[in-house]
Amino acid sequence: SQQGEEDPQALSIQEGENATMNCSYKTSINNLQWYRQNSGRGLVHLILIRSNEREKHSGRLRVTLDTSKKSSSLLITASRAADTASYFCATDAASSGYSTLTFGKGTMLLVSP
Amino acid sequence: EAGVTQSPTHLIKTRGQQATLRCSPISGHTSVYWYQQALGLGLQFLLWYDEGEERNRGNFPPRFSGRQFPNYSSELNVNALELEDSALYLCASSLGGQSQDIQYFGAGTRLSVL
Repeated sequence: SQQGEEDPQALSIQEGENATMNCSYKTSINNLQWYRQNSGRGLVHLILIRSNEREKHSGRLRVTLDTSKKSSSLLITASRAADTASYFCATDAASSGYSTLTFGKGTMLLVSP
Repeated sequence: EAGVTQSPTHLIKTRGQQATLRCSPISGHTSVYWYQQALGLGLQFLLWYDEGEERNRGNFPPRFSGRQFPNYSSELNVNALELEDSALYLCASSLGGQSQDIQYFGAGTRLSVL
């Protein structure tokens, strides 16, 4: 079963707008990561947030983590057409000690010019 | 520096055949992971190899197998192919097997089973 579940499944916005995607997970984690996938190709790592962190920034990306609610959000500010892609959250299982990641089904973001 | 490379890019097989997919990790990375991305199902973890050994396995039947070579490259074998094996197979590598190690992905092999 999927550990992370992204919401919404699809998001359509105009260039310049902000895009917010959410991820919920079920078990305790060590880290949560966000990845981007363009057109069914390989995934690109965006950001990693540790379980003891609440917020992290990287350029136009802002990630928050609420371990009490087992949820995370990814905010892309001032979106561009090039941000059009699928976005996945990935979690590890804190109890496993392994780096195996469990991915959600992703949010498909479409940014129109 | 070269990223994770996968071959072939596309593979077309018929039911019952065997498929072999290959992955070369980033230089210096010892861990290799395999994922299956079937339409509508998201990424499913298949296998994790580190230092030549299988460290973890996802919920897939035994006809999915693989190995890691001394140079850390890896091979995924799928025997007795079924139609539902059609998917994008992604390989990733990381420096080690710790949970904070970022996984870097290849472009994938698209397997079509006819």
